[in-house]
Amino acid sequence: NAGVTQTPKFQVLKTGQSMTLQCAQDMNHEYMSWYRQDPGMGLRLIHYSVGAGITDQGEVPNGYNVSRSTTEDFPLRLLSAAPSQTSVYFCASSSYPPNYGYTFGSGTRLTVV
Amino acid sequence: AQSVTQLGSHVSVSEGALVLLRCNYSSSVPPYLFWYVQYPNQGLQLLLKYTSAATLVKGINGFEAEFKKSETSFHLTKPSAHMSDAAEYFCAVSLVGNQFYFGTGTSLTVIP
Repeated sequence: NAGVTQTPKFQVLKTGQSMTLQCAQDMNHEYMSWYRQDPGMGLRLIHYSVGAGITDQGEVPNGYNVSRSTTEDFPLRLLSAAPSQTSVYFCASSSYPPNYGYTFGSGTRLTVV
Repeated sequence: AQSVTQLGSHVSVSEGALVLLRCNYSSSVPPYLFWYVQYPNQGLQLLLKYTSAATLVKGINGFEAEFKKSETSFHLTKPSAHMSDAAEYFCAVSLVGNQFYFGTGTSLTVIP
């Protein structure tokens, strides 16, 4: 089925470990983004990309890196995990500009201990 | 500055009663507005969107929202709540500069 695929669905990390959250879409969307969802805070934008080779920071970029080598993939890297990064992470994509709404992945629940 | 505000983090309604979830935005130009729904342990699903066409927008599952420029509001309504409507609802706005902002969400509980 067409859509946004996120892996893994669940992950537990130890403080200081690094990992990559994967995101892939098959809708040929130019615009992709990463959000984190925390209770009472809604969704906060981490990084976004308007096309292959172009990325920019969102509201809460510290501790995260992204790259966009292809239209389909937009991985999110945690450089040195901290307990404050415990959250649910969502990848989303849309046509450009994102004026007609996002398609969301099913999320990655990350716990940092 | 907060671009979208949802009033009420928790709303409870009886089954069959009117659902009203409030959303106000702050923008000097007409934005694109959205409502998303999130069921437990799932991603967000688009309910409806306003893109400067008709001010009354109908979405899935019997929901609708009305864009009121004078009140800078985009409240979500449903005439009769169903148990399956229990979920988290997010209002969102797309502004110039390709930024997409979400409200903090409203958790809807439907009481049998």
